[in-house]
Amino acid sequence: DIVMTQSPLSLPVTPGEPASISCKSSQSLLHSNGYNYLDWYLQRPGQSPHLLIYLGSNRASGVPDRFSGSGSGTDFTLKISRVEAEDIGVYYCMQALQIRYTFGQGTKLEIK
Amino acid sequence: QVQLVQSGAEVKKPGASVKVSCKASGYTFTGYNIHWVRQAPGQGLEWMGWINPNSGGTNYAQKFQGRVTMTRDTSIGTAYMELSRLRSDDTAVYYCARTIPFDYWGQGTLVTVSS
Repeated sequence: DIVMTQSPLSLPVTPGEPASISCKSSQSLLHSNGYNYLDWYLQRPGQSPHLLIYLGSNRASGVPDRFSGSGSGTDFTLKISRVEAEDIGVYYCMQALQIRYTFGQGTKLEIK
Repeated sequence: QVQLVQSGAEVKKPGASVKVSCKASGYTFTGYNIHWVRQAPGQGLEWMGWINPNSGGTNYAQKFQGRVTMTRDTSIGTAYMELSRLRSDDTAVYYCARTIPFDYWGQGTLVTVSS
């Protein structure tokens, strides 16, 4: 199975400041069709996860443009340009290249 | 609007089975795979498998092979996940989610396994 490794695992951020989360995969997620099969999810406290970014860099419907995804192959990054209070929760990356889908451990974003 | 509504919380004894339902609405049920993901208390997300509601075809994570069965009833737009031979470490919230990427999720079903 593809192993997904996120860092940091905890991320205290001041509102209005940027934030960045790294996600590394044990195998390349770049498909021959040119797409990176890497998705990002946010799970707010007490809620189900929801989709933020798919195929590495595409924002899901309704996701604010302060969220952006980048990277290719084995190294990916989720960036929040200016953190807001509603962004608190746990962020997960997930590889969707191989059917045995696997998630990163999660990064808990907290407001300072 | 698209909704996935799951059945309520369950408490089971070790060795028993549990069957969780996921009722879909707001879209063509047979057009999108349904996946099941679980989350143990305070832990991360773990993919369990998927079912193709159109064909009934399934694909399970190796960890759950032999213990999990995913089915569907197209007449009522509902998918099911049954887990057998429950152990205490199966205590978790079980989510259904639509297709890849997981664009819609159910609200989750807490399954507690305790003697």
